[in-house]
Amino acid sequence: GENVEQHPSTLSVQEGDSAVIKCTYSDSASNYFPWYKQELGKGPQLIIDIRSNVGEKKDQRIAVTLNKTAKHFSLHITETQPEDSAVYFCAASGGTYKYIFGTGTRLKVLA
Amino acid sequence: DGGITQSPKYLFRKEGQNVTLSCEQNLNHDAMYWYRQDPGQGLRLIYYSQIVNDFQKGDIAEGYSVSREKKESFPLTVTSAQKNPTAFYLCASSISAFGQNEAFFGQGTRLTVV
Repeated sequence: GENVEQHPSTLSVQEGDSAVIKCTYSDSASNYFPWYKQELGKGPQLIIDIRSNVGEKKDQRIAVTLNKTAKHFSLHITETQPEDSAVYFCAASGGTYKYIFGTGTRLKVLA
Repeated sequence: DGGITQSPKYLFRKEGQNVTLSCEQNLNHDAMYWYRQDPGQGLRLIYYSQIVNDFQKGDIAEGYSVSREKKESFPLTVTSAQKNPTAFYLCASSISAFGQNEAFFGQGTRLTVV
Protein backbone atom coordinates (compact mmCIF):
# COMPACT_ATOMS: atom_id res chain seq x y z
CA GLY A 1 0.00 0.00 0.00
CA GLU A 2 0.90 3.67 -0.01
CA ASN A 3 3.60 4.68 2.42
CA VAL A 4 5.51 7.81 3.44
CA GLU A 5 8.77 7.48 5.34
CA GLN A 6 10.03 10.46 7.31
CA HIS A 7 13.47 11.08 8.85
CA PRO A 8 14.74 11.91 11.35
CA SER A 9 12.24 11.18 14.13
CA THR A 10 13.89 13.77 16.38
CA LEU A 11 16.10 16.72 15.51
CA SER A 12 17.83 19.19 17.79
CA VAL A 13 19.46 22.33 16.41
CA GLN A 14 20.94 25.48 17.88
CA GLU A 15 18.95 28.64 17.44
CA GLY A 16 19.91 30.28 14.15
CA ASP A 17 21.00 27.04 12.51
CA SER A 18 19.13 25.29 9.70
CA ALA A 19 16.95 22.18 10.00
CA VAL A 20 16.22 19.67 7.26
CA ILE A 21 13.55 16.96 7.36
CA LYS A 22 13.29 14.37 4.60
CA CYS A 23 10.43 12.24 3.31
CA THR A 24 10.12 9.46 0.75
CA TYR A 25 6.82 8.34 -0.75
CA SER A 26 5.87 5.14 -2.52
CA ASP A 27 2.84 5.99 -4.69
CA SER A 28 4.06 7.37 -8.01
CA ALA A 29 0.58 8.88 -8.61
CA SER A 30 1.05 11.29 -5.68
CA ASN A 31 1.05 14.89 -6.85
CA TYR A 32 0.47 17.02 -3.76
CA PHE A 33 2.93 17.23 -0.85
CA PRO A 34 1.99 19.33 2.19
CA TRP A 35 3.96 19.90 5.38
CA TYR A 36 2.20 20.37 8.70
CA LYS A 37 3.39 21.75 12.04
CA GLN A 38 1.78 20.45 15.21
CA GLU A 39 2.19 22.12 18.56
CA LEU A 40 1.53 20.25 21.79
CA GLY A 41 -2.13 19.38 22.31
CA LYS A 42 -3.26 21.00 19.06
CA GLY A 43 -4.19 19.92 15.56
CA PRO A 44 -1.64 20.12 12.73
CA GLN A 45 -1.48 23.31 10.67
CA LEU A 46 -0.25 23.62 7.10
CA ILE A 47 3.02 25.54 6.81
CA ILE A 48 3.91 24.96 3.17
CA ASP A 49 2.94 22.68 0.29
CA ILE A 50 4.21 21.80 -3.16
CA ARG A 51 2.68 20.22 -6.23
CA SER A 52 4.33 17.82 -8.60
CA ASN A 53 4.82 20.34 -11.38
CA VAL A 54 7.18 22.41 -9.19
CA GLY A 55 10.64 21.46 -7.92
CA GLU A 56 11.04 24.00 -5.15
CA LYS A 57 8.94 26.49 -3.20
CA LYS A 58 9.98 29.07 -0.60
CA ASP A 59 8.09 31.08 1.96
CA GLN A 60 10.36 33.29 4.05
CA ARG A 61 12.47 30.95 6.23
CA ILE A 62 10.76 27.78 5.00
CA ALA A 63 11.40 25.95 1.75
CA VAL A 64 10.36 22.62 0.30
CA THR A 65 12.08 20.69 -2.49
CA LEU A 66 10.67 17.84 -4.52
CA ASN A 67 12.46 15.18 -6.56
CA LYS A 68 9.76 13.20 -8.35
CA THR A 69 12.20 10.81 -9.96
CA ALA A 70 13.56 9.72 -6.61
CA LYS A 71 10.19 10.19 -4.85
CA HIS A 72 11.83 12.40 -2.25
CA PHE A 73 10.76 15.71 -0.79
CA SER A 74 12.33 17.76 1.97
CA LEU A 75 11.53 20.63 4.33
CA HIS A 76 14.22 23.23 5.00
CA ILE A 77 13.94 25.74 7.84
CA THR A 78 16.63 28.41 7.99
CA GLU A 79 17.55 30.71 10.88
CA THR A 80 15.60 28.55 13.32
CA GLN A 81 13.90 30.16 16.29
CA PRO A 82 12.59 28.66 19.56
CA GLU A 83 9.01 29.00 18.30
CA ASP A 84 9.87 26.59 15.48
CA SER A 85 10.01 23.81 18.09
CA ALA A 86 7.14 21.42 17.30
CA VAL A 87 6.36 18.16 15.55
CA TYR A 88 6.46 18.35 11.75
CA PHE A 89 4.61 15.95 9.45
CA CYS A 90 5.02 15.45 5.75
CA ALA A 91 2.22 13.99 3.64
CA ALA A 92 1.53 12.85 0.10
CA SER A 93 -1.75 12.60 -1.75
CA GLY A 94 -3.34 12.49 -5.17
CA GLY A 95 -3.29 8.89 -6.16
CA THR A 96 -6.10 7.52 -3.98
CA TYR A 97 -7.76 10.72 -2.72
CA LYS A 98 -6.25 10.20 0.74
CA TYR A 99 -3.52 12.00 2.61
CA ILE A 100 -0.78 9.59 3.67
CA PHE A 101 1.26 11.05 6.51
CA GLY A 102 4.80 10.42 7.63
CA THR A 103 5.48 9.45 11.25
CA GLY A 104 6.58 12.95 12.26
CA THR A 105 9.77 14.73 13.31
CA ARG A 106 10.09 16.34 16.71
CA LEU A 107 12.18 19.48 16.21
CA LYS A 108 13.81 21.13 19.20
CA VAL A 109 15.45 24.51 18.75
CA LEU A 110 17.92 25.15 21.55
CA ALA A 111 18.33 28.74 22.67
CA ASP B 1 -14.83 32.59 11.74
CA GLY B 2 -14.60 29.62 9.41
CA GLY B 3 -13.05 26.50 10.69
CA ILE B 4 -13.37 22.97 11.93
CA THR B 5 -14.52 22.26 15.47
CA GLN B 6 -14.08 19.09 17.45
CA SER B 7 -15.77 18.36 20.74
CA PRO B 8 -15.23 17.49 23.45
CA LYS B 9 -11.54 18.27 23.93
CA TYR B 10 -11.19 15.52 26.55
CA LEU B 11 -13.33 12.38 26.80
CA PHE B 12 -13.26 9.49 29.22
CA ARG B 13 -14.78 6.12 28.40
CA LYS B 14 -15.47 3.15 30.57
CA GLU B 15 -14.79 -0.35 29.35
CA GLY B 16 -17.63 -1.60 27.13
CA GLN B 17 -19.07 1.82 26.35
CA ASN B 18 -19.58 3.44 22.98
CA VAL B 19 -18.65 7.11 22.69
CA THR B 20 -19.17 9.60 19.90
CA LEU B 21 -16.74 12.34 18.93
CA SER B 22 -18.16 15.39 17.21
CA CYS B 23 -16.66 17.13 14.18
CA GLU B 24 -18.29 20.15 12.52
CA GLN B 25 -16.95 22.37 9.73
CA ASN B 26 -18.33 25.59 8.29
CA LEU B 27 -15.87 25.77 5.40
CA ASN B 28 -18.27 24.23 2.89
CA HIS B 29 -15.75 21.45 2.27
CA ASP B 30 -16.78 18.27 0.47
CA ALA B 31 -14.25 15.92 2.04
CA MET B 32 -13.81 15.05 5.70
CA TYR B 33 -11.41 12.69 7.47
CA TRP B 34 -10.80 11.07 10.84
CA TYR B 35 -7.28 10.28 11.98
CA ARG B 36 -5.94 8.60 15.08
CA GLN B 37 -2.64 9.77 16.53
CA ASP B 38 -0.51 7.65 18.85
CA PRO B 39 2.98 8.57 20.06
CA GLY B 40 5.60 7.75 17.45
CA GLN B 41 3.09 6.51 14.88
CA GLY B 42 2.04 9.65 13.11
CA LEU B 43 -1.51 10.01 11.82
CA ARG B 44 -3.42 6.92 10.79
CA LEU B 45 -6.58 7.19 8.74
CA ILE B 46 -9.72 5.73 10.30
CA TYR B 47 -12.47 6.80 7.88
CA TYR B 48 -12.91 9.39 5.17
CA SER B 49 -15.84 10.86 3.30
CA GLN B 50 -15.57 12.42 -0.13
CA ILE B 51 -19.15 13.66 -0.21
CA VAL B 52 -22.28 13.71 1.91
CA ASN B 53 -23.96 10.31 2.43
CA ASP B 54 -20.79 8.51 1.42
CA PHE B 55 -17.79 7.32 3.41
CA GLN B 56 -14.94 4.83 3.07
CA LYS B 57 -12.86 2.81 5.50
CA GLY B 58 -9.33 3.92 6.07
CA ASP B 59 -6.41 1.83 7.29
CA ILE B 60 -7.64 1.22 10.86
CA ALA B 61 -11.46 1.25 10.67
CA GLU B 62 -12.10 -1.78 12.89
CA GLY B 63 -14.00 -0.81 16.04
CA TYR B 64 -15.09 2.57 14.65
CA SER B 65 -18.14 3.83 12.78
CA VAL B 66 -19.07 7.12 11.12
CA SER B 67 -21.95 8.86 9.40
CA ARG B 68 -22.13 11.73 6.93
CA GLU B 69 -25.75 12.82 6.86
CA LYS B 70 -24.89 16.50 6.55
CA LYS B 71 -22.10 18.17 4.64
CA GLU B 72 -20.84 20.01 7.69
CA SER B 73 -20.85 17.10 10.15
CA PHE B 74 -18.82 13.87 10.36
CA PRO B 75 -19.20 12.23 13.80
CA LEU B 76 -17.02 9.29 14.82
CA THR B 77 -18.26 6.57 17.16
CA VAL B 78 -15.69 4.54 19.04
CA THR B 79 -17.39 1.25 19.81
CA SER B 80 -16.69 -1.32 22.50
CA ALA B 81 -15.12 -3.45 19.77
CA GLN B 82 -12.15 -1.08 19.65
CA LYS B 83 -9.80 -2.75 22.12
CA ASN B 84 -7.29 0.05 22.52
CA PRO B 85 -9.16 3.32 22.04
CA THR B 86 -6.97 5.58 24.17
CA ALA B 87 -5.50 8.06 21.68
CA PHE B 88 -5.67 11.56 20.27
CA TYR B 89 -8.31 11.83 17.53
CA LEU B 90 -8.11 14.41 14.78
CA CYS B 91 -10.80 15.42 12.32
CA ALA B 92 -9.90 17.20 9.08
CA SER B 93 -11.64 18.57 6.01
CA SER B 94 -10.59 19.64 2.53
CA ILE B 95 -12.34 21.57 -0.18
CA SER B 96 -12.23 18.82 -2.76
CA ALA B 97 -12.63 15.10 -2.58
CA PHE B 98 -9.45 14.49 -4.48
CA GLY B 99 -6.87 15.00 -1.74
CA GLN B 100 -4.93 17.63 -3.62
CA ASN B 101 -5.65 20.61 -1.44
CA GLU B 102 -4.89 21.73 2.07
CA ALA B 103 -6.48 19.68 4.81
CA PHE B 104 -7.72 21.77 7.73
CA PHE B 105 -7.55 20.09 11.11
CA GLY B 106 -9.56 20.50 14.26
CA GLN B 107 -7.92 20.85 17.67
CA GLY B 108 -8.41 17.18 18.47
CA THR B 109 -10.16 15.05 21.08
CA ARG B 110 -8.12 13.13 23.60
CA LEU B 111 -9.95 9.91 24.50
CA THR B 112 -8.96 7.95 27.59
CA VAL B 113 -10.33 4.62 28.75
CA VAL B 114 -10.82 4.50 32.51
